[in-house]
Amino acid sequence: GAVVSQHPSWVICKSGTSVKIECRSLDFQATTMFWYRQFPKQSLMLMATSNEGSKATYEQGVEKDKFLINHASLTLSTLTVTSAHPEDSSFYICSAVGGGISYNEQFFGPGTRLTVL
Amino acid sequence: AQSVSQHNHHVILSEAASLELGCNYSYGGTVNLFWYVQYPGQHLQLLLKYFSGDPLVKGIKGFEAEFIKSKFSFNLRKPSVQWSDTAEYFCAVNKASGTYKYIFGTGTRLKVLA
Repeated sequence: GAVVSQHPSWVICKSGTSVKIECRSLDFQATTMFWYRQFPKQSLMLMATSNEGSKATYEQGVEKDKFLINHASLTLSTLTVTSAHPEDSSFYICSAVGGGISYNEQFFGPGTRLTVL
Repeated sequence: AQSVSQHNHHVILSEAASLELGCNYSYGGTVNLFWYVQYPGQHLQLLLKYFSGDPLVKGIKGFEAEFIKSKFSFNLRKPSVQWSDTAEYFCAVNKASGTYKYIFGTGTRLKVLA
């Protein structure tokens, strides 16, 4: 149980285009989802916290208009990188927390590698 | 400020050596503690977690960790490492109640020589 998937697993796009990454909780309802960014050989940096049906809470320094987060249902959150640029290239990881599984533990998706040319 | 420190950034060991990775946190109140492993090219996997109770926690793959509240530490140990343990290890902390947000340590890159 407690499986989180991400799609796509990798994506290459041209500079200036937008890219949408999906995060799904497959076997539980995720009341809260988190989006992280991981640079090579570095730790995970929390970008935002997403609660179903409400606006995401962004961490300091993360551009809301650049990284659009939507948590439309209890099993799906999406991250859209708008007008992507090469500096947005990174590994994006989502995680989910859900009632009935564990309120304290996040379950991580496999990540999405974004390369912006 | 809340923080998690992993002092060992890179560790190189030979197979069968014992491992201890340090994790110290600065966080007010009751906390939950986690160790995750990230194998090359793979996603984060939970090794073990501490919520309450016995401060010595056993996890998967022969790993264990001890929560020492007085030292604000949650060090990860394994008595005998294998080549397949080569990976990056992350310590994480969150509040026992509240937003579930993790604070991650900077990670320790372990290389085990065959």
